[in-house]
Amino acid sequence: AQKITQTQPGMFVQEKEAVTLDCTYDTSDPSYGLFWYKQPSSGEMIFLIYQGSYDQQNATEGRYSLNFQKARKSANLVISASQLGDSAMYFCAMREASTKNSGGYQKVTFGTGTKLQVIP
Amino acid sequence: EADIYQTPRYLVIGTGKKITLECSQTMGHDKMYWYQQDPGMELHLIHYSYGVNSTEKGDLSSESTVSRIRTEHFPLTLESARPSHTSQYLCASSERQGWQETQYFGPGTRLLVL
Repeated sequence: AQKITQTQPGMFVQEKEAVTLDCTYDTSDPSYGLFWYKQPSSGEMIFLIYQGSYDQQNATEGRYSLNFQKARKSANLVISASQLGDSAMYFCAMREASTKNSGGYQKVTFGTGTKLQVIP
Repeated sequence: EADIYQTPRYLVIGTGKKITLECSQTMGHDKMYWYQQDPGMELHLIHYSYGVNSTEKGDLSSESTVSRIRTEHFPLTLESARPSHTSQYLCASSERQGWQETQYFGPGTRLLVL
């Protein structure tokens, strides 16, 4: 089974509207972290938001919020008031504590991404 | 937030040439990573390091090699470039803060091998 599933290859949203990008994950590890990254056409990966498996509240960072539904194993990214500069690929990723090796490395698995286009 | 740099940003090179992709970070992070990403696809880990003189292979087999002689520097080398190496290469570093350990990425190097 895929560790991280992003079912929307592409999304369109009207400028100033809110948009939700879906992410579901698969793990039996009670301790894990979920991340969202933005990748503009220029190629760099920009960290947006983090949610820990033990966090009681949904993470928020400015216009970004993470709708964390632990029982459903979903971690959807919500972007409020979309801007033209939000057009990019968005990747969901997960780190599992159980993958930690002797060097302290914990494996991070990335989804296949969702391409968001904001329409003026 | 990490300051992490990669050079060159773009590289077009002929088959058989030796290339080194540079990556450096100024935050003193112990862990560093190299990912390979084809256009519009997910990232695949090819190398990582959890400190000076430590390097490990990632999930995706790669003909490239890495070294970690200094904390801030994690170069990737291809001894003989081939068209199949054409891809984007992203370098990252991370530091653990409590439960959270976030990877911060450099701008990437887009490699085209002719």
